[in-house]
Amino acid sequence: EVQLVQSGAEVKKPGESLKISCKGSGYRFTSYWIGWVRQMPGKGLEWMGIIYPGDSDTRYSPSFQGQVTISADKSISTAYLQWSSLKASDTAMYYCAREYSSENWALGYWGQGTLVTVSS
Amino acid sequence: EIVLTQSPGTLSLSPGERATLSCRASQSVSSAYLAWYQQKPGQAPRLLIYGASSRATGIPDRFSGSGSGTDFTLTISRLEPEDFAVYYCQQYGSSSTFGQGTRLEIK
Repeated sequence: EVQLVQSGAEVKKPGESLKISCKGSGYRFTSYWIGWVRQMPGKGLEWMGIIYPGDSDTRYSPSFQGQVTISADKSISTAYLQWSSLKASDTAMYYCAREYSSENWALGYWGQGTLVTVSS
Repeated sequence: EIVLTQSPGTLSLSPGERATLSCRASQSVSSAYLAWYQQKPGQAPRLLIYGASSRATGIPDRFSGSGSGTDFTLTISRLEPEDFAVYYCQQYGSSSTFGQGTRLEIK
């Protein structure tokens, strides 16, 4: 069974750094793209970017390029989303999700979400 | 970046009725790389349709997708109580973007 388990909720202050994680299991981690999706409170879904853990090929939405870093450690089947300096506007639920099938960026398997709250 | 516009913003229908949701792209979506998702409050989204018209595993056949180019449709043939939720389209032919969502509510 494909599973994505995300790290727990975070409360941070503006300017702090953060790295959240997404651990995959039940499939070959290196063979499928994993994407990150933001959902701000009461709002819709926003595609942030995606990584192929096999070779760390990473693509970003223009809206998030330079704002976040997506990475993966294939030795522990974990993908990451990180910020170097958080802003209050980064407050949101963040989902990781795996592509449904190879070379098909429809997101068929989702983590439970990580709620990030940034407040002074 | 391809912009997806969903309509209507809110759709009010009764169980048993047919729902038709629209997703229009600002430019052609290559190879029909268009997906639909359902999201209920407090839950992660669920993939319903990929490749514009293929149902994901376990999705009931009352859900169907159609369209090509810039115009796509999700149809729910007979609404069940559990179908009332927010629906999003996503294109993944050129990078990826989501539409803003359609809320399907009980009339």
